[in-house]
Amino acid sequence: SAVISQKPSRDICQRGTSLTIQCQVDSQVTMMFWYRQQPGQSLTLIATANQGSEATYESGFVIDKFPISRPNLTFSTLTVSNMSPEDSSIYLCSVTTGVNSPLHFGNGTRLTVT
Amino acid sequence: AQTVTQSQPEMSVQEAETVTLSCTYDTSENNYYLFWYKQPPSRQMILVIRQEAYKQQNATENRFSVNFQKAAKSFSLKISDSQLGDTAMYFCAFMKREENSGNTPLVFGKGTRLSVIA
Repeated sequence: SAVISQKPSRDICQRGTSLTIQCQVDSQVTMMFWYRQQPGQSLTLIATANQGSEATYESGFVIDKFPISRPNLTFSTLTVSNMSPEDSSIYLCSVTTGVNSPLHFGNGTRLTVT
Repeated sequence: AQTVTQSQPEMSVQEAETVTLSCTYDTSENNYYLFWYKQPPSRQMILVIRQEAYKQQNATENRFSVNFQKAAKSFSLKISDSQLGDTAMYFCAFMKREENSGNTPLVFGKGTRLSVIA
């Protein structure tokens, strides 16, 4: 398995600002995924972060709103841009250590937008 | 596209008793994996158990076991000897099997909130 550190663990932000969430893994991983969990809801995939290429976004999520970086095999960031109260959610980074391996998750970032 | 359905939003069980959480899924794939994840109030998503669709034998991990019915597309989780620490949200998840490189992301159900009562 992999140890995943996600920062910040929580934040309260004002409408219109941006927040960058960091995900650091203790080993090189091929695939990294970013999920959103709205209050009381399940996890929804935002995008797949690919090392050395642009992220692949799911329907309903766009790069301008959720830019993602993946500079190497152990690190990724997700930015939530021009935030509104509807962006208040838990954002989770997850990784897989091999083909067909289960996903491992960070502790998540609880974001509140006021 | 795959869908995962958990029809029980909330359940409760007495400590030391057994509880079964239901999950059904829909897919046209033949090779895939199914998972149960646990999310306690700490928010950490913890893998509880995994089942390969090509295996007929039901997976077991200590007090946790599954009843996998491939034809019925059903994947229930049984928790035996329930403990207070089992209180959490439980998510059923589907992952398509990849034959080459890469990995497909998980598709999650809406979750079941389980409360273990002393």
